[in-house]
Amino acid sequence: SQQGEEDPQALSIQEGENATMNCSYKTSINNLQWYRQNSGRGLVHLILIRSNEREKHSGRLRVTLDTSKKSSSLLITASRAADTASYFCAPAGAGRRALTFGSGTRLQVQP
Amino acid sequence: DGGITQSPKYLFRKEGQNVTLSCEQNLNHDAMYWYRQDPGQGLRLIYYSQIVNDFQKGDIAEGYSVSREKKESFPLTVTSAQKNPTAFYLCASSPTEGTEAFFGQGTRLTVV
Repeated sequence: SQQGEEDPQALSIQEGENATMNCSYKTSINNLQWYRQNSGRGLVHLILIRSNEREKHSGRLRVTLDTSKKSSSLLITASRAADTASYFCAPAGAGRRALTFGSGTRLQVQP
Repeated sequence: DGGITQSPKYLFRKEGQNVTLSCEQNLNHDAMYWYRQDPGQGLRLIYYSQIVNDFQKGDIAEGYSVSREKKESFPLTVTSAQKNPTAFYLCASSPTEGTEAFFGQGTRLTVV
């Protein structure tokens, strides 16, 4: 299966702390994407990292990719209450043409 | 504004009835997708389409049907064969497969 599996399933932190969530996958990829979902809403694309990249930044987001370990991590620095959401990774490879998603990490940021 | 629109936001269906969920995009994307999400769970792929007049089954296609007669539209029909249709349904589109996906706001279907 190409879908990623996020870890931990749930994470609760205080505002201002950093949040780290991980993604593991099983097949070769062209890129890996991270998405965010607020409760009862659609997913929003956060960042895409290509298979030949090791690290990428976007504002308070930092994504790493280790293709040898088939894993990625998403770091949110200086978290805010508004970051409370579920976060999903989506590995994208040539073998499967539709993005598939795991169960996500539910992040709760306490004000 | 460019975007992807799902309607209706809430839908109620009686057991044994078919119901169609609408998904329209004006992003000129080739690829469109339907996902199902159950409470506290991730997204499961129902159907996807890479081009007009072509679509493929996802992981949970049984009890669902789709059509792709226009590039902009990818309606999903939940048939009476779907035994547990109560869920949150999400439609998405992307320029091509494996690229950034844009999601609609979802349709919450409840069987009454």
